[in-house]
Amino acid sequence: QSALTQPPSASGSPGQSVTISCTGTSSDVGGYNYVSWYQQHPGKAPKLMIYEVSKRPSGVPDRFSGSKSGNTASLTVSGLQAEDEADYYCSSYAGSNNLNVVFGGGTKLTVL
Amino acid sequence: EVQLVESGGGLVQPGGSLRLSCAASGFTFSSYEMNWVRQAPGKGLEWVSYISSSGSTIYYADSVKGRFTISRDNAKNSLYLQMNSLRAEDTAVYYCAREERVNYFDYWGQGTLVTVSS
Repeated sequence: QSALTQPPSASGSPGQSVTISCTGTSSDVGGYNYVSWYQQHPGKAPKLMIYEVSKRPSGVPDRFSGSKSGNTASLTVSGLQAEDEADYYCSSYAGSNNLNVVFGGGTKLTVL
Repeated sequence: EVQLVESGGGLVQPGGSLRLSCAASGFTFSSYEMNWVRQAPGKGLEWVSYISSSGSTIYYADSVKGRFTISRDNAKNSLYLQMNSLRAEDTAVYYCAREERVNYFDYWGQGTLVTVSS
């Protein structure tokens, strides 16, 4: 049960766009369209930002978008704002025969 | 308003046991699948366990299989995690999370800290 692979850090200036990758295998990311992304500010619980690869829950700004190609999913944050600075975690369904959900190691997004 | 409130965390010695609870309100608890997710200090999220809405289907991460037991009481709107044979590496904030649909954890509790240390 290996975690999904994310870069430890990413950064961008206000107004810019940044993309965070999340690499798994054909048993998780590549096998299902059940990739989610969570934002976590220090000391807070995670907040769902993207589900089913590219869908946004109500209330999440359309500056956040998701995509997937093969075994790699991506989160793009456009028009960076100071409040976007946080940790971001991807997760993927991994099938009921293995484990339910696997998370990535997290990416610290810094707004310069 | 949907609320999930964890309790039961604390300091426990290696080899000890602890039972976490998650009190749910603001939604029909019996209709939702639930999960426990943990986060070690300064580390990332780790999925721990899943239970279906009726409690008939349960999954565990390999790291806790055989030591942890998830359960729920739909009459009491509560989710539980019985943790036995605790190890130092189980030290983490434990969150309960509602699963609206597959891998869609839409509501999380505030977390409860479990510290395993002698």
